[in-house]
Amino acid sequence: EAGVTQSPTHLIKTRGQQATLRCSPISGHTSVYWYQQALGLGLQFLLWYDEGEERNRGNFPPRFSGRQFPNYSSELNVNALELEDSALYLCASSLRGYSGNTIYFGEGSWLTVV
Amino acid sequence: KQEVTQIPAALSVPEGENLVLNCSFTDSAIYNLQWFRQDPGKGLTSLLLIQSSQREQTSGRLNASLDKSSGRSTLYIAASQPGDSATYLCAVGDSNYQLIWGAGTKLIIKP
Repeated sequence: EAGVTQSPTHLIKTRGQQATLRCSPISGHTSVYWYQQALGLGLQFLLWYDEGEERNRGNFPPRFSGRQFPNYSSELNVNALELEDSALYLCASSLRGYSGNTIYFGEGSWLTVV
Repeated sequence: KQEVTQIPAALSVPEGENLVLNCSFTDSAIYNLQWFRQDPGKGLTSLLLIQSSQREQTSGRLNASLDKSSGRSTLYIAASQPGDSATYLCAVGDSNYQLIWGAGTKLIIKP
């Protein structure tokens, strides 16, 4: 069974551009989560989607947005890129909600803003 | 507000030793607690999930315990190996479907 898959693995963008990252959850999982992990820092929660709707949002500006598609895959969009957006972006999936359910992570997408 | 702390931030031990990693949380009203490992530049791998009604979980050389009343969880690694070198993170699940993360313990096993 395929795990959580993310694309692209690496992405280099110029400041001010937009980046789009994609995530496919484990089959049967309806919840998708996005995290940012800047170099040397901890995991910062970005977004939680379930059944196509945004369920929760971390403390990030509106230029971080995303959506979940009917097949439960998801994309994260970062507009007006800033240098400090350079980080590893991790996607995770689970059966609905965290409660009682193990969360599984993808390998991440490295975003570098120059 | 739930806060999760992992001490120490880094730990280096010789191969073969048994070791304990600590995770503490401030609010005992948790749904579950998970332990993960992260290799450098990689995603996270789930190790063990303990439900709030459980006291411990075991998988191979790993044993995680949970004491809600004292706000503590420990991850015990038996007979450590160089391949165990990684950053270990704990995360607490609350009633709002949130996961609150510790900052992790970077573990180095010296051959």
